[in-house]
Amino acid sequence: QVQLVESGGGVVQPGGSLRLSCAASGFTFSSYGMHWVRQAPGKGLEWVAFIRYDGSNKYYADSVKGRFTISRDNSKNTLYLQMNSLRAEDTAVYYCAKDRFREIDYWGQGTLVTVSS
Amino acid sequence: QSVLTQPPSVSAAPGQKVTISCSGSSSNIGNNYVSWYQQLPGTAPKLLIYDNNKRPSGIPDRFSGSKSGTSATLGITGLQTGDEADYYCGTWDSSLSAGQVFGGGTKLTVL
Repeated sequence: QVQLVESGGGVVQPGGSLRLSCAASGFTFSSYGMHWVRQAPGKGLEWVAFIRYDGSNKYYADSVKGRFTISRDNSKNTLYLQMNSLRAEDTAVYYCAKDRFREIDYWGQGTLVTVSS
Repeated sequence: QSVLTQPPSVSAAPGQKVTISCSGSSSNIGNNYVSWYQQLPGTAPKLLIYDNNKRPSGIPDRFSGSKSGTSATLGITGLQTGDEADYYCGTWDSSLSAGQVFGGGTKLTVL
């Protein structure tokens, strides 16, 4: 069965950096695009970024463009999100999610990122 | 402010039916498939409906989806207390700022 396990969350000061990882299993990782989606405390879902199956194209939400970088290592079945210049408003649970023809069909359990001094 | 518009809340009694609307535009719902997700308290979202009206394996037929033009609707019949959750619609947006977009979420209360 599909499993997506995020890691790397924690507390970071404003202006700091953090790298999230997502270990994928139960499907052919190298054949599917992948997303990061976040959810601020008590708020709705906000899409963050998408990467095609081969890493050839990447898309970002305007709110993170220029600060966050999505990447993947198909040899390790792992998705990454490098987050720089973090702000208080980036505080959220970050979900890794599998793409199915531009729809999300599986979600990880999420990892909490808290930006605070 | 979300790209897709959903009502903040809906409610109905056990056994009844409820519908949740999701309104968008030609750059998103109008030209792409719509998905629906259920998020139970404290858990990750789960796919309920994909390709506008298809149910993944294991999702009961009490849940249904439809799409017309730039709007979509989730229907839930035979409401159960376990259906109390937040529901989100989602789709791809093909505009200049391409990416996945979601509705603001609808809180379902089963009275």
